[in-house]
Amino acid sequence: ILNVEQSPQSLHVQEGDSTNFTCSFPSSNFYALHWYRWETAKSPEALFVMTLNGDEKKKGRISATLNTKEGYSYLYIKGSQPEDSATYLCAFNQAGTALIFGKGTTLSVSS
Amino acid sequence: DTEVTQTPKHLVMGMTNKKSLKCEQHMGHRAMYWYKQKAKKPPELMFVYSYEKLSINESVPSRFSPECPNSSLLNLHLHALQPEDSALYLCAAGLKENTEAFFGQGTRLTVV
Repeated sequence: ILNVEQSPQSLHVQEGDSTNFTCSFPSSNFYALHWYRWETAKSPEALFVMTLNGDEKKKGRISATLNTKEGYSYLYIKGSQPEDSATYLCAFNQAGTALIFGKGTTLSVSS
Repeated sequence: DTEVTQTPKHLVMGMTNKKSLKCEQHMGHRAMYWYKQKAKKPPELMFVYSYEKLSINESVPSRFSPECPNSSLLNLHLHALQPEDSALYLCAAGLKENTEAFFGQGTRLTVV
């Protein structure tokens, strides 16, 4: 059974703080690692898709890294803002399989 | 705004009812998915359609019956559901099976 673990489960930070979350996944037969941002009452929004070991992606204040050999990815948010409050989902797939999701990390940013 | 549209947004149904959830996309994506998400749990894969053919059925009970009448439309027919089937049902579409998926806003289903 493929399992994707995310930590922490939830996180509360102050505006301006930088933060990071972890996603762990099986390292065998790796194909791609996805990060999604899910705000309440909206649909999950794709942030990054990473396929190569050592990949680093960046979108504004959010960035992600990938280590396929040890099976983990980090998502970083620099200078958190209240609008960053959401659940961040990590999803993984092997070649020919659909996405398997982690439980997510819920971020709350106070102003 | 999402390019994957799900209807209805909310549905309350009795255990003897028959209803259908609808998902529509016009991105030309050939993989479409149904996920089920219960509170505080990750989305769980139910079905995958690839080029309008069912390619994955994650041992979902037969009271859930998917249908893909064309490349833009994915239905989920519901019959004789149980209260524990109450959940958010998410549809997603992707270019092909293992690329990023674009999600609809979901249908919040309550079985009474």
